[in-house]
Amino acid sequence: SQKIEQNSEALNIQEGKTATLTCNYTNYSPAYLQWYRQDPGRGPVFLLLIRENEKEKRKERLKVTFDTTLKQSLFHITASQPADSATYLCALEETGANNLFFGTGTRLTVIP
Amino acid sequence: GAVVSQHPSWVICKSGTSVKIECRSLDFQATTMFWYRQFPKQSLMLMATSNEGSKATYEQGVEKDKFLINHASLTLSTLTVTSAHPEDSSFYICSAPRGSSEKLFFGSGTQLSVL
Repeated sequence: SQKIEQNSEALNIQEGKTATLTCNYTNYSPAYLQWYRQDPGRGPVFLLLIRENEKEKRKERLKVTFDTTLKQSLFHITASQPADSATYLCALEETGANNLFFGTGTRLTVIP
Repeated sequence: GAVVSQHPSWVICKSGTSVKIECRSLDFQATTMFWYRQFPKQSLMLMATSNEGSKATYEQGVEKDKFLINHASLTLSTLTVTSAHPEDSSFYICSAPRGSSEKLFFGSGTQLSVL
């Protein structure tokens, strides 16, 4: 069966450290993978997109890697801040499809 | 950036009544909009794809007669939960892509509570 797993439901990290979130997928052939941030009671907000032929993408303190052999994406937040506390969702779209499938999310808490 | 507006933010209704949720693209035209449902501590589950001027496409297991979708204009899609029951209580979120962009712009969501 198809699965998108974010293997940490919750992650606590000290302010200033690098947070690393993991997204693993099974039985998908993604054209690209996206990461979103969701705050409680709100809709997700797009952060980064990485395509199947890209290894790494950066945006300010954010970095995403994509390994199609391992079927895994890693999402890093460097110099983490309490304001980074939120749930982070990975999502992928398969080649030729027209909708996103979401992982279960990781709730990140950055402790001051 | 692109903005998607969703109303109402929350609604409480009695079992058996119908509830309409609106999703508007404020600064762009959306020929396609997506409706998701999210239960507590679970991920977003796609319910249906709303297509302007044509019938919506429903995901497997979603009752089209219960969740009525209308996409009558390029900036508005509505989801009507008909004869709502307590098990329909959930967080409903709409989203839309802008142009050919792959990323989605999400509404702020609607928390539905059916008593």
